Amino acid sequence: ILNVEQSPQSLHVQEGDSTNFTCSFPSSNFYALHWYRWETAKSPEALFVMTLNGDEKKKGRISATLNTKEGYSYLYIKGSQPEDSATYLCAFTGNYGQNFVFGPGTRLSVLP
Amino acid sequence: GAVVSQHPSRVICKSGTSVKIECRSLDFQATTMFWYRQFPKQSLMLMATSNEGSKATYEQGVEKDKFLINHASLTLSTLTVTSAHPEDSSFYICSAQAAGLSANYGYTFGSGTRLTVV
Repeated sequence: ILNVEQSPQSLHVQEGDSTNFTCSFPSSNFYALHWYRWETAKSPEALFVMTLNGDEKKKGRISATLNTKEGYSYLYIKGSQPEDSATYLCAFTGNYGQNFVFGPGTRLSVLP
Repeated sequence: GAVVSQHPSRVICKSGTSVKIECRSLDFQATTMFWYRQFPKQSLMLMATSNEGSKATYEQGVEKDKFLINHASLTLSTLTVTSAHPEDSSFYICSAQAAGLSANYGYTFGSGTRLTVV
C-alpha cells in the first residue's frame, strides 16, 4: 500500500506571514506529484503537476518544489492572505500514471 | 476551464434505501472517472475507476454489488449506494480525466456529496 504523508496536519498563520508544508511520498516508481487546493464546499482546484526531480513551479504567491530521489515536495505560500485558507492536498501517481494516492492534507488558516 | 458537476451535494437517507450520486463533465468528454470516499480526518481513498462503456474497476475492499457504478456516456458517471447503512455515511467525491490527456494533466474534481444514513 502506497503511503503519502503531509505535515503539518494543520496550521494557523497571521496575514502576511509566509508558510510552507511538506508532502512525502514513495521515491520509487515515481510518475507525478500533484498539488490541489481545496476550499470548503468547493471542488479541489489543481495547483501544480510536477514530474521532474528538481522541478520548481510557481503560481502567483504559491510555489512548489520537488525532490523525487528523497520523496518529498514542499509547497510555499508567500505573504499569506485570508483567502489562502484551505486544505492543501498532494497526490502521488506511480509509474505510468496509476491512480492518485492522496495525502491527508494540510489545513491552513490565515488569520486577518 | 474544465468543470465537473456533482449532485447532490448533501443527502440524508434512511437505512436500507439506495442513493444515487451523479457526476457530469460539463465542457469536456471524460473517458475515465474516479470515485473517492473520505471518512473524517482521513485521506481521500479511491473506491473505483469508471470507464465509459465498460465495467468499473473496484479497489480492494470495495463491494461492487453495494457501490454500483455506471458510466454510460462520456459526460456522466453515477455511483449508487445500495441498501445504505449508517457506516456508509461519508463524503463521496468524483474526478474526471479528459479524453486523450495523460494523468500528467491532472484530474478535475466535483464538489463532493455528503451522505448521511440514519
